[in-house]
Amino acid sequence: ETGVTQTPRHLVMGMTNKKSLKCEQHLGHNAMYWYKQSAKKPLELMFVYNFKEQTENNSVPSRFSPECPNSSHLFLHLHTLQPEDSALYLCASSQTVVPYNEQFFGPGTRLTVL
Amino acid sequence: AQKITQTQPGMFVQEKEAVTLDCTYDTSDQSYGLFWYKQPSSGEMIFLIYQGSYDEQNATEGRYSLNFQKARKSANLVISASQLGDSAMYFCAMREGVNTGGFKTIFGAGTRLFVKA
Repeated sequence: ETGVTQTPRHLVMGMTNKKSLKCEQHLGHNAMYWYKQSAKKPLELMFVYNFKEQTENNSVPSRFSPECPNSSHLFLHLHTLQPEDSALYLCASSQTVVPYNEQFFGPGTRLTVL
Repeated sequence: AQKITQTQPGMFVQEKEAVTLDCTYDTSDQSYGLFWYKQPSSGEMIFLIYQGSYDEQNATEGRYSLNFQKARKSANLVISASQLGDSAMYFCAMREGVNTGGFKTIFGAGTRLFVKA
């Protein structure tokens, strides 16, 4: 496997379910990110991890809980979501968080909350 | 105030012609990076090109070039010799220096490009 992978690619869940999104990067990067992409809205940064430490929480509701066990893996735990949380969730990684490091994105998880 | 502005929600271009996608940005930082990404209908964000604020030369990557005008705070993407596979959403993004939130990459609203045969 190369690049950034995400599983599952599609997820449908009820508001009372608990699920997790997984992201894995095979690039040897030290920074990982979760983004939310809703219809007709710019990409929104949710969380940033740098060397496994969370460095940014962009005012994300507590029903989204990130976990970064190592520099290669990033999870997003979901519980008691709302229908408005339906979106494309994109994971990305970069060498570091400095401005000149481009981010490489995974294919995304298309989440639908019923 | 928006930090990244893409004023063209949609653009049409004839195959084999060049097209310019506009992007203006707002920052008080001296050190920042500007990026363009392509998002096909499959959803994956594909990195295209990067321009550093201190780079004197405009960035080029194959058919992509970035027209960087620092004084005007613009970073337009030029795609030469458009191909049908270029039809996608294009996002302009900026990452500011560490002193002003360097962990965040801010994305514009995007421009949808349609390439006509």
